[in-house]
Amino acid sequence: AQTVTQSQPEMSVQEAETVTLSCTYDTSESNYYLFWYKQPPSRQMILVIRQEAYKQQNATENRFSVNFQKAAKSFSLKISDSQLGDTAMYFCAFMKRPLTGKLIFGQGTTLQVKP
Amino acid sequence: DAGVIQSPRHEVTEMGQEVTLRCKPISGHNSLFWYRQTMMRGLELLIYFNNNVPIDDSGMPEDRFSAKMPNASFSTLKIQPSEPRDSAVYFCASSHRENTGELFFGEGSRLTVL
Repeated sequence: AQTVTQSQPEMSVQEAETVTLSCTYDTSESNYYLFWYKQPPSRQMILVIRQEAYKQQNATENRFSVNFQKAAKSFSLKISDSQLGDTAMYFCAFMKRPLTGKLIFGQGTTLQVKP
Repeated sequence: DAGVIQSPRHEVTEMGQEVTLRCKPISGHNSLFWYRQTMMRGLELLIYFNNNVPIDDSGMPEDRFSAKMPNASFSTLKIQPSEPRDSAVYFCASSHRENTGELFFGEGSRLTVL
């Protein structure tokens, strides 16, 4: 069975600064995807970034980037130039191939961006 | 294009009552998922459908829960009878296989069972 662990329940960062959210996972699979989803106060889950396990290059989406360490089973999210709109709960998630859509979520990290 | 639409957004009911949650997936998506979010258990998959057929319902907590997808544009999650421990936010999500696993979530239905 797969598990996803986020060890930081809450974090805060000053606006315009950089913050890193941690995630570790456990799996015996070799082919899988990893995701970071954002859940703002409106509740709707939104995909932030995804990483394919077979790709060594770390994924980047504008101010969001990941540090994917496959051997260590670590998948952290870095948010650069933090904005007030980044305030939300962030979930790390795992999906094995074939891509059924069955996501295994971590417990979430609440991020507060302070002005 | 409209996103995943869920109703109701909020539901307050009394223990023992029947609850029906509804979901309209994104047009063209062929997979639909029901997730539940609670403080204690986080986000967990209840059931998912592919091409309107239930594929994995191993997350459905017990027989009081049932889900249907009569056509590609509509799904229901029913709880009968409801209990206070069913209080949670229920999310519906949809995806298309060619979307490399990305799920599109609705805004969720917050259920409170008194």
